[in-house]
Amino acid sequence: QKEVEQNSGPLSVPEGAIASLNCTYSDRGSQSFFWYRQYSGKSPELIMSIYSNGDKEDGRFTAQLNKASQYVSLLIRDSQPSDSATYLCAVNDSNYQLIWGAGTKLIIKP
Amino acid sequence: GAVVSQHPSWVICKSGTSVKIECRSLDFQATTMFWYRQFPKQSLMLMATSNEGSKATYEQGVEKDKFLINHASLTLSTLTVTSAHPEDSSFYICSARATGYGYTFGSGTRLTVV
Repeated sequence: QKEVEQNSGPLSVPEGAIASLNCTYSDRGSQSFFWYRQYSGKSPELIMSIYSNGDKEDGRFTAQLNKASQYVSLLIRDSQPSDSATYLCAVNDSNYQLIWGAGTKLIIKP
Repeated sequence: GAVVSQHPSWVICKSGTSVKIECRSLDFQATTMFWYRQFPKQSLMLMATSNEGSKATYEQGVEKDKFLINHASLTLSTLTVTSAHPEDSSFYICSARATGYGYTFGSGTRLTVV
């Protein structure tokens, strides 16, 4: 059974601080890793994709991938109240289907 | 960027009727379309995967005769919920995949069966 694990939270972070979201996956053959943000009642929105070990930065967001540890994380710098949402980690399998984590609810406190 | 249009955004229907949801890739040709269902406070649940011109592959526990998927072209896929019942009320989301475009999601359809 291919699995993606996330802490459901909620994770509460003060405004302006760094929010750190973590995800582990079970399928060692996975090649593509994604972080989506989902606001309540809305569809998921792609934040970051990462395909190779190391860090990938895009504005305030940094994705980190460690395939040996089967671990992927998302850092959000200078957190804003508008970052409050559920963050979904997704990993693709050999059939190009996305395996989803349960999501971490992030709350940024002003 | 890649855009997927999903309609309707919300629908209320009577129990026993059928509802069709459309998903269109507007500026690219989708190799594969995925249909998800999401219940409140839960993650996305994959219902089925469809490739243009072939029958959809349904996930275990999803009734193919109840959730009809048609993927007639590289830009259009439809999901029809037949003989809808209140337990079918959910948030339905489509996603299109193409090489070079990744996975693009529609805006979702909130279905309420009364």
